[in-house]
Amino acid sequence: DSGVTQTPKHLITATGQRVTLRCSPRSGDLSVYWYQQSLDQGLQFLIQYYNGEERAKGNILERFSAQQFPDLHSELNLSSLELGDSALYFCASSVGPENTEAFFGQGTRLTVV
Amino acid sequence: GQSLEQPSEVTAVEGAIVQINCTYQTSGFYGLSWYQQHDGGAPTFLSYNGLDGLEETGRFSSFLSRSDSYGYLLLQELQMKDSASYFCAVRKNTGFQKLVFGTGTRLLVSP
Repeated sequence: DSGVTQTPKHLITATGQRVTLRCSPRSGDLSVYWYQQSLDQGLQFLIQYYNGEERAKGNILERFSAQQFPDLHSELNLSSLELGDSALYFCASSVGPENTEAFFGQGTRLTVV
Repeated sequence: GQSLEQPSEVTAVEGAIVQINCTYQTSGFYGLSWYQQHDGGAPTFLSYNGLDGLEETGRFSSFLSRSDSYGYLLLQELQMKDSASYFCAVRKNTGFQKLVFGTGTRLLVSP
């Protein structure tokens, strides 16, 4: 158990809908990262937050947004969902923004039908 | 742009040694990490090389050569439980650092 908690574990929703994925980082970690992993693909970096502020952005679509709250948990919002958004979404956390080691949650498997 | 290249699949038998290579092309290179991911599971950290040379952690070792933009993960005394995907990831110093992952190498260990 990495100490990073993601909910829900599974999510099935229809095209055009909006969903929110939640992540609680390890105790003491200030940095949160979101990654998308499609079938048989690598991990695509989406966005990073550190202590409530956005620190880095990757290939995140405009339909996607995220935030990190004062209690350091983070939410990833996916809207106007398309079939191609079906993937595993991982959250990871590290102590600081200069990540040498990141700890990953078990992921949320999103299926868009 | 940036790119990381790894073999897509490697097969080996129990007890053997296997090397998974990673070549990268990126600006602002800071270091190379390796992660293991079992099917359906979360990636877990294996090792990090910030300097050239070999880092050893038990049965696993990782190597980095900055001049060659190349690294590898060496797995010794392979066990069935080592069957998984292995990702190299570049740590970039772009002001705000993030990990950029390769597409992963699927390792299949057979009896």
